[in-house]
Amino acid sequence: EAEVAQSPRYKITEKSQAVAFWCDPISGHATLYWYRQILGQGPELLVQFQDESVVDDSQLPKDRFSAERLKGVDSTLKIQPAELGDSAMYLCASSLGSSADTQYFGPGTRLTVL
Amino acid sequence: GESVGLHLPTLSVQEGDNSIINCAYSNSASDYFIWYKQESGKGPQFIIDIRSNMDKRQGQRVTVLLNKTVKHLSLQIAATQPGDSAVYFCAENSGTYKYIFGTGTRLKVLA
Repeated sequence: EAEVAQSPRYKITEKSQAVAFWCDPISGHATLYWYRQILGQGPELLVQFQDESVVDDSQLPKDRFSAERLKGVDSTLKIQPAELGDSAMYLCASSLGSSADTQYFGPGTRLTVL
Repeated sequence: GESVGLHLPTLSVQEGDNSIINCAYSNSASDYFIWYKQESGKGPQFIIDIRSNMDKRQGQRVTVLLNKTVKHLSLQIAATQPGDSAVYFCAENSGTYKYIFGTGTRLKVLA
């Protein structure tokens, strides 16, 4: 069964350092989402891609966060510099691409900022 | 913030009993809904979905009910098992690419 892949699964970093997360969506999925999830809460959308284009990044803290999906397949989310409040689970999800297609999640990257 | 998350609504059920998890959604224009199960330290796992032209959909041991009049969604799990212990989220989509997630309910299955 096809799955969304993410790496690393866990990341510990010190504040002010740079971190990067990678996501490989299910093959053929045009839409890719990055979410941040604080413990016990629902995922909150950071950025959404349709192929290589950003559809929605209104909730992305652009002073420190950046995301790219250069070839419309895999994607990288970067934080520079990391802050203590960035500690969270970062989830990637993908869907086929037309509106209201089922969205499937990867296992997530647990980030701890010390 | 973090303190809100630590007070996640919790449903405790005896193993073998049926569970009902509820969700109130916000947008009357939402026309597609998904229930996810999330185990500790893992990403949300798709359980079942329903579109607004239906009011009930059944899967294996799970049933989703949709009441558009009161904007309410429920997930019923039959014969709840220890492996069902997790946090359950509903997500709504209003025909765009964007999903809005509910706050989640923790299900605890008692042996």
